[in-house]
Amino acid sequence: GESVGLHLPTLSVQEGDNSIINCAYSNSASDYFIWYKQESGKGPQFIIDIRSNMDKRQGQRVTVLLNKTVKHLSLQIAATQPGDSAVYFCAESPLNQAGTALIFGKGTTLSVSS
Amino acid sequence: EAGVAQSPRYKIIEKRQSVAFWCNPISGHATLYWYQQILGQGPKLLIQFQNNGVVDDSQLPKDRFSAERLKGVDSTLKIQPAKLEDSAVYLCASSASTSDTQYFGPGTRLTVL
Repeated sequence: GESVGLHLPTLSVQEGDNSIINCAYSNSASDYFIWYKQESGKGPQFIIDIRSNMDKRQGQRVTVLLNKTVKHLSLQIAATQPGDSAVYFCAESPLNQAGTALIFGKGTTLSVSS
Repeated sequence: EAGVAQSPRYKIIEKRQSVAFWCNPISGHATLYWYQQILGQGPKLLIQFQNNGVVDDSQLPKDRFSAERLKGVDSTLKIQPAKLEDSAVYLCASSASTSDTQYFGPGTRLTVL
């Protein structure tokens, strides 16, 4: 099985499958986490966010899970569609810094085949 | 509601030349960010403004990069002189306040030859 916190640079799924994208964040003091979707030639697009006082949040076809114990974040996409093909980034906002800029993780390229 | 606007979308210059990028945030957003995204990586913060004041510029290479947001709305980012390693996409983001969601513009792709 897949190890907690394992980052996969690419993920290929069939249309209609559920997708799970994992992210390990670095700062235990971070209290805000976001998932962004970035299509080729475009800026990152907000998908869903979660604060550290929650462990799960659901949106439309997407769910974010937060495990603070192992500093792991995941994005679940239900019934994946070809339009979901993009690079997905997780980002964290640490408390212990001057500003509130986001620190981005390594992206995962999701490819959906029909 | 209009999103974050950036121009130009693409720019090609030779090393040691100067270049400037422009950003117009979402109307009413007090916080503005400039990020640099090198190919294959996630965006990395260059500078953060709150209205017309700088909140964080700790990662801005100040010997060649400068940014301003004089009236607390539009912002410009300048590189002078450019180096080959400055080739990247420069993203502008804005948020209503420092604790709100950041929304990104389409970016400016800079190629330094």
